[in-house]
Amino acid sequence: QSVLTQPPSASGTPGQRVTIRCSGSSSNIGSSTVNWYQQLPGTAPKVLIFSNNQRPSGVPDRISGTKSGTSASLAISGLQSEDEAAYYCAAWDGSLNGWVFGGGTKLTVL
Amino acid sequence: QVQLVQSGAEVKKPGASVKVSCKASGYTFTNYGISWVRQAPGKGLEWMGWISIYSNKIKYAQKFQGRVTMTTDTSTSTAYMELRSLRSDDTAVYYCAKFQWPGDPRGFDYWGQGTLVTVSS
Repeated sequence: QSVLTQPPSASGTPGQRVTIRCSGSSSNIGSSTVNWYQQLPGTAPKVLIFSNNQRPSGVPDRISGTKSGTSASLAISGLQSEDEAAYYCAAWDGSLNGWVFGGGTKLTVL
Repeated sequence: QVQLVQSGAEVKKPGASVKVSCKASGYTFTNYGISWVRQAPGKGLEWMGWISIYSNKIKYAQKFQGRVTMTTDTSTSTAYMELRSLRSDDTAVYYCAKFQWPGDPRGFDYWGQGTLVTVSS
């Protein structure tokens, strides 16, 4: 049972916009920033969004992140087949002095 | 460019120990730290702990307290994670990840390629 809650699956057709939501609590998302990671099969996770809404260089601007209260969302617009992957949210938890993750969302491009 | 290169796959028997290494390059190792995250087959990510080389502090997730030890060798820019008393449910890919900001564990950016540890009798 993961500390952060994400839907196990999401889907969309090419060109569509998809949003993945992540819910937490006051000790993690509510008081810290959220990161989002993309994991392609058989590879290490890659950071897509850090500090709620910041994109590392190389991540396209069709990918965005937002946070409100104890929830956060990852949005992918202009969906492409290469976006088919697992997506994880993560937040620093001040009460644990460590990281908590969502259970992951498997995104399927139909 | 920043790189984290981990040691190769391991097969261990229940009750044994495993030590995974993570060799860093492309940045000043002593200014940052390393977090360790694992992923059981078909499952999600699980944070295990972090070690800050900058501040010489360590924090283990409560689940692993007493069974895990994280260390570093600054002469070779290598971090290590040792897990003892292995059980079958410790079978997972173990990842190291570099702190995103100097001395601050509240973010990690670059990840190693992962090390598969299989625990089986």
